[in-house]
Amino acid sequence: QVRLQQWGAGLLKPSETLSLTCSIYGGSFSGYYWTWIRQPPGKGLEWIGEITHSGSTNYKPSLRSRIIISVDTSKKQFALKVNSVRAADTAVYYCAIGGRSSGYFLWGQGTLVTVSS
Amino acid sequence: QSVLTQPPSVSGAPGQRVTISCTGSSSNIGAGYDVHWYQQLPRAAPKLLIYDNTNRPSGVPDRFSGSKSGTSAFLAITGLQAEDEADYFCQSYDSSLSSVVFGGGTKVTVL
Repeated sequence: QVRLQQWGAGLLKPSETLSLTCSIYGGSFSGYYWTWIRQPPGKGLEWIGEITHSGSTNYKPSLRSRIIISVDTSKKQFALKVNSVRAADTAVYYCAIGGRSSGYFLWGQGTLVTVSS
Repeated sequence: QSVLTQPPSVSGAPGQRVTISCTGSSSNIGAGYDVHWYQQLPRAAPKLLIYDNTNRPSGVPDRFSGSKSGTSAFLAITGLQAEDEADYFCQSYDSSLSSVVFGGGTKVTVL
């Protein structure tokens, strides 16, 4: 069964680093973008950034200074790090596979990350 | 403030047709970038409903259809059912922002 499984810490203090990992099961999807999207509580979806199988990245410009997306193709995993988190980073974070010309057709289960002192 | 504008809510009786608009600009939908639609049930991840403006992934009922005209896109649901109560989001790409962009979402209520 093709699925994405994600994990990472759910409670952070301001200024700490958010770290999430997403693992791909049942396929490789090397021709698509491996992507991170977040959704603040009760709000809409926000694209964070993406990485290709070869490691090429694109980030949302307003977040570029704080985020790193990396990939480990041997494990079929990709990861998100957000530095210096703040309350505004509180959201459900999703990993997803797809792209701007195909839509995101496979999603992880979501991880609620809360930033609070 | 989302780059793509959707009505916050639409409603309809079972069996009726509802339409959700997604209005953008010349740097996203109007520039020819494809629009995709997602359905998000409560406490669940979004699910791709329509891709490339008009196409349905396998398993999506043909009650759902998409269209695009100028700087706007539309999602239509015909034969509305109780299980269609959900949030719906449109998505495209914006060349000015160099970013994938989403609409703010529309909550569909079945009366």
